[in-house]
Amino acid sequence: KAGVTQTPRYLIKTRGQQVTLSCSPISGHRSVSWYQQTPGQGLQFLFEYFSETQRNKGNFPGRFSGRQFSNSRSEMNVSTLELGDSALYLCASSSGTDPEETQYFGPGTRLLVL
Amino acid sequence: DAKTTQPTSMDCAEGRAANLPCNHSTISGNEYVYWYRQIHSQGPQYIIHGLKNNETNEMASLIITEDRKSSTLILPHATLRDTAVYYCIVRPHSGTYKYIFGTGTRLKVLA
Repeated sequence: KAGVTQTPRYLIKTRGQQVTLSCSPISGHRSVSWYQQTPGQGLQFLFEYFSETQRNKGNFPGRFSGRQFSNSRSEMNVSTLELGDSALYLCASSSGTDPEETQYFGPGTRLLVL
Repeated sequence: DAKTTQPTSMDCAEGRAANLPCNHSTISGNEYVYWYRQIHSQGPQYIIHGLKNNETNEMASLIITEDRKSSTLILPHATLRDTAVYYCIVRPHSGTYKYIFGTGTRLKVLA
């Protein structure tokens, strides 16, 4: 079974631009969660989507948004990029229906904002 | 959300057991303890999880104290490839997939 894939793997943007990151979950998984990892704040939860609906949300500004498609693929968008948005963005997938199930993480997209 | 406390870093000799502690004194009865590790800023990798009984799999053992306020991850025979940051996470049984990561323990396995 193929793992979680994220594209692109690396991205360089400038302040004020917007960016879209993509995540393809493991086949059959309907839950996709997004995390931001920075040296200063560590790993922080952004949001979770299940069956095209946002089910959980972390404490991030409205510039961070996401969506999920009917095939469970998910995208996250960051508008009006700031230098502090430079981070490793990780997505994780799971079936979304088993309370004890673990999440499986992708390799991440490393975003650099100049 | 229950919080976890872990030592910032630990060293372990190759071939020896690595014992990584985690304190979760505010854990509630329906919360599981999960362990993940992250190698070289790759995506975190699942290791093991448990509720109140000790657990073992091919990667590690998880020992949870009787009062569930702390746990220890044991890598029985550490190798250089086990050098990573290890995260202890407490997660409600309700099924939320919102993991709250702490700062983790940076384990360095020494040759």
